[in-house]
Amino acid sequence: DGGITQSPKYLFRKEGQNVTLSCEQNLNHDAMYWYRQDPGQGLRLIYYSQIVNDFQKGDIAEGYSVSREKKESFPLTVTSAQKNPTAFYLCASSIPDITNEKLFFGSGTQLSVL
Amino acid sequence: GDSVTQMEGPVTLSEEAFLTINCTYTATGYPSLFWYVQYPGEGLQLLLKATKADDKGSNKGFEATYRKETTSFHLEKGSVQVSDSAVYFCALSGGGADGLTFGKGTHLIIQP
Repeated sequence: DGGITQSPKYLFRKEGQNVTLSCEQNLNHDAMYWYRQDPGQGLRLIYYSQIVNDFQKGDIAEGYSVSREKKESFPLTVTSAQKNPTAFYLCASSIPDITNEKLFFGSGTQLSVL
Repeated sequence: GDSVTQMEGPVTLSEEAFLTINCTYTATGYPSLFWYVQYPGEGLQLLLKATKADDKGSNKGFEATYRKETTSFHLEKGSVQVSDSAVYFCALSGGGADGLTFGKGTHLIIQP
C-alpha cells in the first residue's frame, strides 16, 4: 500500500544534540512538507519542498534543517539551535498543486528533550 | 496573509447530539477549504473538502458548506458517535507552493 512512513515514533534529544527525523513516501509525490504541532497551536510549517534538490523555509524554520536528495525522502534535522524542540512532528506529501487535492500525512514523531 | 480561525475546544457532547464546529477564514482570491481529522497519536486524514463557493463537502455523515459571503466553512453532523472523538482541523489552500494553512484545531469529546 502507498503511504508515508515516519520514524521513529518517539525520539529523545539531549541538550546540545542534533537529531534527525525520517520521512519516506512511496506515493510518487513531488511535494513534501514538515509541520510542527504543539498543543493548542495547530500545525505550523517548518520546511517544504516542491521538487528534488530544492526546498523552502516555512514559518518556523529557525533551528531546523532539511535535505531532499531523493524524491521519496525528506529528512528533518532538529539542531541544537532549536531551544524548544519538544513537539509532535508531522510529515506530509502531495502533488505540487494541492488546490483541489489533499495532503497525505505520516503518523508523526513525538520528540522530547531529556 | 491567509488565516483560519476555529472555535476553541474541547467541545464535549453526548452521543447522538448535533455537532457544529465553527470555522472562518481570511484569504485573498478563492481558496479551497478542507476539514481534516486527527485521532490520538496519528497524523491527519482528510475528512471533506470544497473548492468553490456554495459547494458542500460531505463524508461519514459530516458536512460543511463553503460560504463566501460569510467566509465560513462550519463542520456539522446530525448525530455524533463516541468514535467521532478526535481533533478536527479546518484548513485552506490559496494555491501557493507552501501547502495548507491550518486552524488551531478543535478537540471533540463524545460521551456515551
